[in-house]
Amino acid sequence: KNQVEQSPQSLIILEGKNCTLQCNYTVSPFSNLRWYKQDTGRGPVSLTIMTFSENTKSNGRYTATLDADTKQSSLHITASQLSDSASYICVVSDRGSTLGRLYFGRGTQLTVWP
Amino acid sequence: EADIYQTPRYLVIGTGKKITLECSQTMGHDKMYWYQQDPGMELHLIHYSYGVNSTEKGDLSSESTVSRIRTEHFPLTLESARPSHTSQYLCASSENGKGGMAYNSPLHFGNGTRLTVT
Repeated sequence: KNQVEQSPQSLIILEGKNCTLQCNYTVSPFSNLRWYKQDTGRGPVSLTIMTFSENTKSNGRYTATLDADTKQSSLHITASQLSDSASYICVVSDRGSTLGRLYFGRGTQLTVWP
Repeated sequence: EADIYQTPRYLVIGTGKKITLECSQTMGHDKMYWYQQDPGMELHLIHYSYGVNSTEKGDLSSESTVSRIRTEHFPLTLESARPSHTSQYLCASSENGKGGMAYNSPLHFGNGTRLTVT
């Protein structure tokens, strides 16, 4: 069973609308949680990184929240644009090694329609 | 935008061929990684490197090998390609985080090589 679960698997919204993507994890001990955006045919690009002491972080129209107690995170996209169409990947890091092992979710495929 | 480059972008080869996927970064990052990504699935770590002359196998059993002779270069080689190797291969790098650890350093990804073995 994957230690990082994302929902929904896919989502279609109209341009200008808001949406929220979910990430639940079981990784322990927790170090940080990252959200990446991956456009089709490209590599993932980092949106936010949050440690256990941070419960919200924004990057433009993207706002990530973290509840380390319930092991849940969400990524909220405000006033969506066509360019937001992409896969959004949640990644959790543990403290088990110097490298910090990374656990990847399978992503939420977001499609924004005009 | 991250300065990490992968070549080729697309590759179609026959079974049994030897191939090398190239990855270079100009950011001076010590840590580099190779991931495999299939549609709708999570990324799987196949190799990583802490620095020059340091390489380790990742979680995914792989018949590939890597080398790290220079900081900026981290090529991945398949000695004998098979159809099961068909996938997207992503290279990434990260700088040392606080205290020399990469905990809070983002990964910078290349745009990947899509490999098809026929």
